[in-house]
Amino acid sequence: EPEVTQTPSHQVTQMGQEVILRCVPISNHLYFYWYRQILGQKVEFLVSFYNNEISEKSEIFDDQFSVERPDGSNFTLKIRSTKLEDSAMYFCASRGTRNNDEQFFGPGTRLTVL
Amino acid sequence: SQQGEEDPQALSIQEGENATMNCSYKTSINNLQWYRQNSGRGLVHLILIRSNEREKHSGRLRVTLDTSKKSSSLLITASRAADTASYFCATYNNAGNMLTFGGGTRLMVKP
Repeated sequence: EPEVTQTPSHQVTQMGQEVILRCVPISNHLYFYWYRQILGQKVEFLVSFYNNEISEKSEIFDDQFSVERPDGSNFTLKIRSTKLEDSAMYFCASRGTRNNDEQFFGPGTRLTVL
Repeated sequence: SQQGEEDPQALSIQEGENATMNCSYKTSINNLQWYRQNSGRGLVHLILIRSNEREKHSGRLRVTLDTSKKSSSLLITASRAADTASYFCATYNNAGNMLTFGGGTRLMVKP
């Protein structure tokens, strides 16, 4: 069964460093998303991506964040200069078509900023 | 923005009992979804109920939707220890490109 994969599973970085979180969505899906979940808190929407552009972003997704689909298979989230408060689980999700509202989530990347 | 909020925040029951979780939201919706999250893992879609549906079943899951009260409930019947997880409701914004999750209910099923 197709699934969304994410790498790495755990990333530890120093404050101020850049990180890139990687995701491989389900191959024929058209809509891509990033979410984050701070420990013990709710899942928060960051950004949605369709047709090679951002279709929606939340207030959390400021200028320090960017997304890219560089090669038609990977979908990346970059944080330019990490802060302590960026420590969280980051989940990638994909969705097949506009008519199918179900999103398929990856296992997540745990980001720890020291 | 649309926002689902679940109650209770935590629920502990014995295996075999039923578990009921509730969700409230603020704005009009086309559908409402329920997801499950095992500890520290990704979310898994459980069931979707459309705004013109009042009740939907899937295996041991039963979801209801009351659009007049802007609320939904998820019932898990004959619970099992393996049902231990967090359960979230989620709704899309009007443009259908942002999924907003509620705070979740942490369910513990004791064997």
